[in-house]
Amino acid sequence: DVKVTQSSRYLVKRTGEKVFLECVQDMDHENMFWYRQDPGLGLRLIYFSYDVKMKEKGDIPEGYSVSREKKERFSLILESASTNQTSMYLCASSLGTGPYGYTFGSGTRLTVV
Amino acid sequence: AQSVTQPDIHITVSEGASLELRCNYSYGATPYLFWYVQSPGQGLQLLLKYFSGDTLVQGIKGFEAEFKRSQSSFNLRKPSVHWSDAAEYFCAVGYNDMRFGAGTRLTVKP
Repeated sequence: DVKVTQSSRYLVKRTGEKVFLECVQDMDHENMFWYRQDPGLGLRLIYFSYDVKMKEKGDIPEGYSVSREKKERFSLILESASTNQTSMYLCASSLGTGPYGYTFGSGTRLTVV
Repeated sequence: AQSVTQPDIHITVSEGASLELRCNYSYGATPYLFWYVQSPGQGLQLLLKYFSGDTLVQGIKGFEAEFKRSQSSFNLRKPSVHWSDAAEYFCAVGYNDMRFGAGTRLTVKP
């Protein structure tokens, strides 16, 4: 089975800290994605990547950046964490262009205090 | 603009009853369509998908969905719900980067 692993299940950070959320997939998928999940809002796309060193903005990129130096790893960076970034963050990957669907990680619940 | 609407925030059904979860979308052309399920404390799991051909698609766990182009809908159904189906269900649309609905939480009464 494809696995998408997010490094932390729970994370508590202080306002203003730089935060790194790591995601690794083990099945050579081309595409990787970061979403945040909030009650009543569903999943909202932050950033995605179709290839190493490539990135595309999603619907809510403000306050976030990403890094994809290796195919299997896609990092989400909160440059200066704020309380409104308290959320569940989900990483996903897909095989490539086409109707493949996503494989999701278990999520990182981030609390910014 | 792309959008996905799940009109029902919360649905309660009795065990053994039938289920239909609604999904409507707005997109430039017919996108790929998906349903995912998220059990409490778990990640999202793909239930089924539609991209072409027969408009009635079968998925895992006994679920099916019907694509209706004229209504821009992709509703999820199950003939007989089990207690283990209690979860949150998300409709998603797109090509490579998908957009998700707000989700429908399903409660199953004994």
